Amino acid sequence: DAGVIQSPRHEVTEMGQEVTLRCKPISGHDYLFWYRQTMMRGLELLIYFNNNVPIDDSGMPEDRFSAKMPNASFSTLKIQPSEPRDSAVYFCASSFLGNQPQHFGDGTRLSIL
Amino acid sequence: GQQVMQIPQYQHVQEGEDFTTYCNSSTTLSNIQWYKQRPGGHPVFLIQLVKSGEVKKQKRLTFQFGEAKKNSSLHITATQTTDVGTYFCAGPQGAQKLVFGQGTRLTINP
Repeated sequence: DAGVIQSPRHEVTEMGQEVTLRCKPISGHDYLFWYRQTMMRGLELLIYFNNNVPIDDSGMPEDRFSAKMPNASFSTLKIQPSEPRDSAVYFCASSFLGNQPQHFGDGTRLSIL
Repeated sequence: GQQVMQIPQYQHVQEGEDFTTYCNSSTTLSNIQWYKQRPGGHPVFLIQLVKSGEVKKQKRLTFQFGEAKKNSSLHITATQTTDVGTYFCAGPQGAQKLVFGQGTRLTINP
């Protein structure tokens, strides 16, 4: 049974460039979460979806960040334009119910130069 | 808003010593979940506790949920190098999301 799949695993790009992170949740999971992890701030919830609908994006740091979920099997997190302070590991997670155990993807390690 | 606090933030032990991390919530929780993240890895779900005073064991790991359902602990007996990582607790905030603690990073001297 495939887990949560994220791509790319690593991304290095120059500031000002657009970055798109992708996630495929576990089939049948109705909730999808995007997290950002840094040493300083720990694990931060950016946004989550229920049945493809964004429910809470209060964790999105700025308007430069946007997320979409066009269907039940795909979500993207986009940063445009990117800045060095966006460097972090971005995780996607999914769950059957919102308050139940979450399954995390391997993450995307993003470095903005 | 709801907060989940974990202590300690870091813990270094000698291999074979015991380890305990504590989790405290500002509100009563319907359940508490524990995750482990290995260095360079992603958080992996370990266990969920639901009942007041519940105790569950996984080999050398013992998980406890407080009577008031506001605190929890994870105890590892006789640590091994494979236990290295960061341990997170997480509690539901409403019905739709989890609030994660800051994590306890465990390092072990072999």
